[in-house]
Amino acid sequence: EIVMTQTPLSSPVTLGQPASISCMSSQSLVHSDGNTYLSWLQQRPGQPPRLLISTISNRFSGVPDRFSGSGAGTDFTLKISRVEAEDVGVYYCLQSTQYPRTFGQGTKLEI
Amino acid sequence: EVQVLDSGGGLVHPGGSLRLSCVTSGFTFRTYAISWVRQAPGRGLEWVSGIRDGGTRTDYADSVKGRFTISRDNSDNTIYLQMNSLRAEDTAVYYCARDFTMSGGPPTHFDHWGRGTLVTVSS
Repeated sequence: EIVMTQTPLSSPVTLGQPASISCMSSQSLVHSDGNTYLSWLQQRPGQPPRLLISTISNRFSGVPDRFSGSGAGTDFTLKISRVEAEDVGVYYCLQSTQYPRTFGQGTKLEI
Repeated sequence: EVQVLDSGGGLVHPGGSLRLSCVTSGFTFRTYAISWVRQAPGRGLEWVSGIRDGGTRTDYADSVKGRFTISRDNSDNTIYLQMNSLRAEDTAVYYCARDFTMSGGPPTHFDHWGRGTLVTVSS
């Protein structure tokens, strides 16, 4: 099983300032088809998870462009260029390269 | 508009059974994989089970293998999760999620989620 490790687990942020979350996998997430299936999800308080980014860096429909994803192999990063109040919640990385699918522990973003 | 509606949760005794349902609309159901993901109270997300678009391949987390069965009915756009031999540690909100699948490729990410249904296993 691929273990996903997020840092930090909690991140106090200031409105208007950038934020960054790291996700590391215990083995390469490059699939046999050449793609890397790493996605990021946001879960606001009391809400179901919501897809932000797929395949490392592809923003999902309706996701603000202040969210961006990057990385390769085993190291990945989610960045928020300027944090807004609605960004409060828990962020998860997810690998879909190998079964079982595994999530990071979650990073709580709080103002 | 893609919609995912999960239901069927409730209170069940340890060792009991429950069947969750996931009704979908707004897309060509038979061409997508679907997964169940759960979240124990105050905890993170855990993938539980998935079924491919054709229904011939199913996958399970080790924690539920042999106890849970996922199935699909392409005639009414519904996914089921039959949960047997339930344990206290199965207590969680269970989410159904559409598993984006490019033609001929593997499922790659969960792009649409239900609101979740709570399963409580307690005596």
